[in-house]
Amino acid sequence: DAGVTQSPTHLIKTRGQQVTLRCSPKSGHDTVSWYQQALGQGPQFIFQYYEEEERQRGNFPDRFSGHQFPNYSSELNVNALLLGDSALYLCASRLDIQETQYFGPGTRLLVL
Amino acid sequence: GDSVTQMEGPVTLSEEACLTINCTYTATGYPSLFWYVQYPGEGLQLLLKATKADDKGSNKGFEATYRKETTSFHLEKGSVQVSDSAVYFCALSSGGGADGLTFGKGTHLIIQP
Repeated sequence: DAGVTQSPTHLIKTRGQQVTLRCSPKSGHDTVSWYQQALGQGPQFIFQYYEEEERQRGNFPDRFSGHQFPNYSSELNVNALLLGDSALYLCASRLDIQETQYFGPGTRLLVL
Repeated sequence: GDSVTQMEGPVTLSEEACLTINCTYTATGYPSLFWYVQYPGEGLQLLLKATKADDKGSNKGFEATYRKETTSFHLEKGSVQVSDSAVYFCALSSGGGADGLTFGKGTHLIIQP
């Protein structure tokens, strides 16, 4: 049973560029959430997708957007990258009727 | 808004010592509470959870009890091992699970042989 997978594992971008991160949820899961984890900090909730729609959003600017596909996989897009966007981006999935979220290994983004 | 406060690290202990990592929370309603662990170079793994007051979550020798009166969910283990070295995060979920998780800043635990 494959767990949550994310790609790529590492990414280097420069300020002002745009980036797309990808996530495949654990088999059977239909809800995907994205988190940003800065170095030495706890993860911060970005948004959650269910039935291909953004259901809830944390305190992140509109530069952060997402998408969920019919197969429940998801993308996180960040536009106009800032140095402060450098972080580990975590994807988590769950079944909507259950509460426990399962995390992927993350994508480490470095913005130069 | 919701928040989680946990003790600052790093916490350094000798093998077989007793462990307590403090966690307190502020939330509306009746949140569910979680402890996640992050081993070096890996993603977060759920360690244990509790969904209502006085529930005790347990896993791999770790325990935590949901204390509504003190708004706390302290993580405990009677005898730690070197393999327990990791970063531990306390987290909560309000709104019946539809909400995203709110995490503490994490506590880095180092166990020396």
